[in-house]
Amino acid sequence: DSGVTQTPKHLITATGQRVTLRCSPRSGDLSVYWYQQSLDQGLQFLIQYYNGEERAKGNILERFSAQQFPDLHSELNLSSLELGDSALYFCASSPLGGPPSYEQYFGPGTRLTVT
Amino acid sequence: LAKTTQPISMDSYEGQEVNITCSHNNIATNDYITWYQQFPSQGPRFIIQGYKTKVTNEVASLFIPADRKSSTLSLPRVSLSDTAVYYCLVGGKVGDNNDMRFGAGTRLTVKP
Repeated sequence: DSGVTQTPKHLITATGQRVTLRCSPRSGDLSVYWYQQSLDQGLQFLIQYYNGEERAKGNILERFSAQQFPDLHSELNLSSLELGDSALYFCASSPLGGPPSYEQYFGPGTRLTVT
Repeated sequence: LAKTTQPISMDSYEGQEVNITCSHNNIATNDYITWYQQFPSQGPRFIIQGYKTKVTNEVASLFIPADRKSSTLSLPRVSLSDTAVYYCLVGGKVGDNNDMRFGAGTRLTVKP
């Protein structure tokens, strides 16, 4: 158990809908990173927040957005969902504000299925 | 982020030492080398990180030659539970390496 929690575990929704994924980092960690893992794209970095501020952006679509709240939990919002958005979404945390190459602790993931 | 190349898959037997090599010819001066392990439907787990020479922890060893253009993850005496995908990543601890892809990784299968 990494100490990072993600909810929900599974999510099934229809195309065009909007969903919110939630992540709670390890106690004391200030950075939260979001990743998408699909069969054809591998594990891809989306965005990083550090202590409430956006720190780095990866290949995140404009339909996706994220935020980190004062209690350091983070939410990833996915809108206008398409079939291709079906994937595992991972959150990771790190104590420092470094780039994704820092040592990170990953959550169990949220499996999103868009039908 | 420096591009890395790893074997797609490897097979081993219980009790053997497994060495997985990663090539990263265009590694930058401030880049570190990090390895993660991932089991199906789970998040990656940090294994080890290093900059040069040799790093060892309770799980693995990481060997980095002087030119740093490759690295080798060594897993001593593997067991069936070490069957997983292993990813090699190269990147700096400062700056913005935002195009971070874990790549396909190396699928290790440990047989009884």
